This record gives sequence, C-alpha cells and structure tokens, in this order.
Amino acid sequence: GAGVSQSPSNKVTEKGKDVELRCDPISGHTALYWYRQSLGQGLEFLIYFQGNSAPDKSGLPSDRFSAERTGGSVSTLTIQRTQQEDSAVYLCASSLAGLGVGELFFGEGSRLTVL
Amino acid sequence: GESVGLHLPTLSVQEGDNSIINCAYSNSASDYFIWYKQESGKGPQFIIDIRSNMDKRQGQRVTVLLNKTVKHLSLQIAATQPGDSAVYFCAENNPGTYKYIFGTGTRLKVLA
Repeated sequence: GAGVSQSPSNKVTEKGKDVELRCDPISGHTALYWYRQSLGQGLEFLIYFQGNSAPDKSGLPSDRFSAERTGGSVSTLTIQRTQQEDSAVYLCASSLAGLGVGELFFGEGSRLTVL
Repeated sequence: GESVGLHLPTLSVQEGDNSIINCAYSNSASDYFIWYKQESGKGPQFIIDIRSNMDKRQGQRVTVLLNKTVKHLSLQIAATQPGDSAVYFCAENNPGTYKYIFGTGTRLKVLA
C-alpha cells in the first residue's frame, strides 16, 4: 500500500509477556517515528530513526522498551515484560526528510492491551 | 519543559456553524506548526501547517491563524460538517530538530 502500515492492529497480552509491534513506513521515507497514545491523551514521543544515523531513544519510558529499524525501512518496537501501564495505542509515522519541517504520515496504530 | 497545550478539551458545534479550536505553545523559538485530525480508531491525519513567518494560512474550509506575540495558534473550520467530528491536535517543532511536540487534543462534536 501507499501508506504507513502497522501490525498487529490489536494485541492483547498478559502481564509479563513480551510483545513486538511492526511498522512499515512509506517507501523512500528516511525518517521514522514511534509515538504512544494513552486513552484520551496526546502523543508521547518514544523514538526516532533517520537514515543510518543513531536513533534518538530519549523518549523510551524504560529499558523494557527497545526498537530497531532494519535496512532503513521496517521498524520493530519491542516491549519486554509488559505491564498494565503499557496499554496504549502505539503509532508509527514516517516522513520524507525528518528535518523537523513537513508532514508526518501516521499509520493507524497498534492497540496494545495488557491484562 | 516545553509544551503545547489546548484551551478546551471538548467543543460542540452545530452543523453548518464555524468551529474554532485553540492551542497555546510555550516555546517562542518554534517556527513550524501543524494541525492534525484524528478520527476514532485511526491515526492522525495532516490538515494544515504554518511557518512562523506567516500569520494566516488557508486550506479547503480550514484556516490556521498564528499569533506569535501571545504564542497562540488556532484552527478555524468553516461550515462544520458531521465528518469533521474528531480529535484535533496541534503540534510544534523547532528549526534544526526533528521532534514534534503534540498537545493533548480537542474533541470536536458536530451536532445535527
């Protein structure tokens, strides 16, 4: 497809389990962002990838969270030993240049529920 | 820290009326602003953007106004339609950075 694709769209897991969320950005977009959106809240920045540069991980809330981007394209956000407070919608976005000016194209998100 | 906030969490308007959604930002160095619309169960969609060298920018049925003196941003929607019902976010960024800071959002409800 032409847009940002995320999977799974919904994930229900038990506390303590690990989860992986996948993002497939728009082809040719060098910048990729992960945001977290808790119920009724705004978007919380998690991590940013730009080309081959080292990612900015400053938004990751704990060391249980990690992300990688392979080949400058697909990204995976991993949450280890999930907690109930991790329940949220995880949004991925990509942009053409990542220079802080210009539209971010968002996927539809992965809704994570931790029981 | 820097933040982008919204004045009203929920705005209800009659169909056909104009809507105004407000946003305050705190970083006077911010020079680029975006409005996003998020419908239920979907990701945010770009509506309109504006750079700080402009005071006003118009799109289709939408206008963004920027008042740098009081660090205020607004989104005006003309002739509001049921399809405009959504949560609207403003976001800001600073030159030379890549982080977009989003506000908590305003829910727009269009009444028939």
